[in-house]
Amino acid sequence: GAVVSQHPSRVICKSGTSVKIECRSLDFQATTMFWYRQFPKQSLMLMATSNEGSKATYEQGVEKDKFLINHASLTLSTLTVTSAHPEDSSFYICSARARAGLYSNQPQHFGDGTRLSIL
Amino acid sequence: AQKVTQAQTEISVVEKEDVTLDCVYETRDTTYYLFWYKQPPSGELVFLIRRNSFDEQNEISGRYSWNFQKSTSSFNFTITASQVVDSAVYFCARNTGNTPLVFGKGTRLSVIA
Repeated sequence: GAVVSQHPSRVICKSGTSVKIECRSLDFQATTMFWYRQFPKQSLMLMATSNEGSKATYEQGVEKDKFLINHASLTLSTLTVTSAHPEDSSFYICSARARAGLYSNQPQHFGDGTRLSIL
Repeated sequence: AQKVTQAQTEISVVEKEDVTLDCVYETRDTTYYLFWYKQPPSGELVFLIRRNSFDEQNEISGRYSWNFQKSTSSFNFTITASQVVDSAVYFCARNTGNTPLVFGKGTRLSVIA
């Protein structure tokens, strides 16, 4: 149980393109989803937290107009990198949290990540 | 923010050696949770363990063991008889209840045959 599917796994595109990354909880309802970014040889840094049906809460220094997050249902959240530039190249990982009481040993279940390369 | 510090950036060991990965955390909370994750070269995060602040018992799972010491705010991870497949980046993390996980910078472990 508690599978999180993230798609696509890898994207290579030209500068100026907008890229959408999907994160789905396959066998549970995710009340909260988190988006992390990981630059090479660095840690995972939280970008934003989103609750279903609400606007996302962004961490300091993360541009909300650049990284659009939509959490329209309890099983799907999307991250859109708008007008991506080479400095946006990174590994993006989503994470989903189930309703309280479920899968209590793991508070967050992670997707396999999306490697984004902007040329 | 309450930090998680993994002072060891990279460690190399020869296969079959034991290795300990250090983790020190900051907290002002009474209740908190500590975690270890493994990130192999393919990138996905593999959950290894969760420990709550009220449970200081050490834990052993196969070749893995964890030592939780509240007095020193440490949650160290030991791999016994390391294998090449243990090569990965290991992250220590913490949260409190419903807050998002905060990760340390990770320790890159290379196990050489």
